[in-house]
Amino acid sequence: GENVEQHPSTLSVQEGDSAVIKCTYSDSASNYFPWYKQELGKRPQLIIDIRSNVGEKKDQRIAVTLNKTAKHFSLHITETQPEDSAVYFCAAPLFGNEKLTFGTGTRLTIIP
Amino acid sequence: EPEVTQTPSHQVTQMGQEVILRCVPISNHLYFYWYRQILGQKVEFLVSFYNNEISEKSEIFDDQFSVERPDGSNFTLKIRSTKLEDSAMYFCASQFTDYAEQYFGPGTRLTVT
Repeated sequence: GENVEQHPSTLSVQEGDSAVIKCTYSDSASNYFPWYKQELGKRPQLIIDIRSNVGEKKDQRIAVTLNKTAKHFSLHITETQPEDSAVYFCAAPLFGNEKLTFGTGTRLTIIP
Repeated sequence: EPEVTQTPSHQVTQMGQEVILRCVPISNHLYFYWYRQILGQKVEFLVSFYNNEISEKSEIFDDQFSVERPDGSNFTLKIRSTKLEDSAMYFCASQFTDYAEQYFGPGTRLTVT
């Protein structure tokens, strides 16, 4: 079925350490994989995305990796800071649709 | 930087009442979406709109829901007869072209009592 699975659901990381969040998707033809950050009571904010023609993309402390064969993609945050605390959602368009199917979210807490 | 805007930020209504949630997408965008998020849960797709018609809708988007683009700027979601379970945050999103970035509005928190 149309599914994006996300793990873990919660993650606590010491400030300065790295955080990794993983998602798997069900449609091998999906070609666009965004990550959104949502602070409490705010809108989902696009922080990074990757298209299927590359395996990795980096933007300062944030990177996304894509494994098309295994149908999974991961968000990596290095040198975490307190302001990284939020809920992170992966998403993907599945089965030829433009709509995004979202993962269930990861609540990331950075411990000072 | 252009942003998607939504009004109102919070709407309280009684069960059975009609509500209209309003969105102004980014001006040169062509694809428009409504999503909803029940408190503490994931973002769920409701409906997509392109070329002045619905392109896809989810099973949540039943005949109590409708969307309109009444002029060149606004995009509205109407719920005809609200139910308690319609209480959620409703996000509008817009997109320049298919498979491009989707930008979300700040949301309308709908509370049905």
